[in-house]
Amino acid sequence: DVKVTQSSRYLVKRTGEKVFLECVQDMDHENMFWYRQDPGLGLRLIYFSYDVKMKEKGDIPEGYSVSREKKERFSLILESASTNQTSMYLCASNPGQGKSGANVLTFGAGSRLTVL
Amino acid sequence: AQSVTQLDSHVSVSEGTPVLLRCNYSSSYSPSLFWYVQHPNKGLQLLLKYTSAATLVKGINGFEAEFKKSETSFHLTKPSAHMSDAAEYFCVVSEVSGGTSYGKLTFGQGTILTVHP
Repeated sequence: DVKVTQSSRYLVKRTGEKVFLECVQDMDHENMFWYRQDPGLGLRLIYFSYDVKMKEKGDIPEGYSVSREKKERFSLILESASTNQTSMYLCASNPGQGKSGANVLTFGAGSRLTVL
Repeated sequence: AQSVTQLDSHVSVSEGTPVLLRCNYSSSYSPSLFWYVQHPNKGLQLLLKYTSAATLVKGINGFEAEFKKSETSFHLTKPSAHMSDAAEYFCVVSEVSGGTSYGKLTFGQGTILTVHP
């Protein structure tokens, strides 16, 4: 089974702190994604990466950055956390163009971040 | 640009009765469409997907969805609800425009399904 592991299930941070959310997948997937999930808004794409060191902005990138130094790991960074970034963060991956299950996402369990 | 609208934020049914979760989409190209389910405190799981083969798609746990291009709809149905179906359901669209889409998906707002005994 494809596994997407998010390192922290629950985090509580203070306004202005730098926050790292880590995500690791173990199936050699090309593409990795960070979404945030808020009630009534569904999932909104923050950033995605289609290769090592490659990244593209999603629909709501403001206040976030990402890092993909290795294929299996995709990190989401909040440089200076704010209360409006309190949310559930979901990491996902998929195999990539031309591969079996190319655009089917496999999700991690999520990281619930509270910013005080 | 692609978009997806789930017409009901909440649906409530009795156990053993049919389930209908409605989804309309907008897409400039031939879309791929998905339904994902999220049980409480669990990750999202793929229920089914449509990728331009048969218009009636069967998924896991007895769910199915029909792609209707003329109505731009992809409604999710199940003949008989079970208590374990209580969850939040997301309709998702992915565009493939000839180039690479990188599997970038657009999610609907979600429909919470409640199943009463």
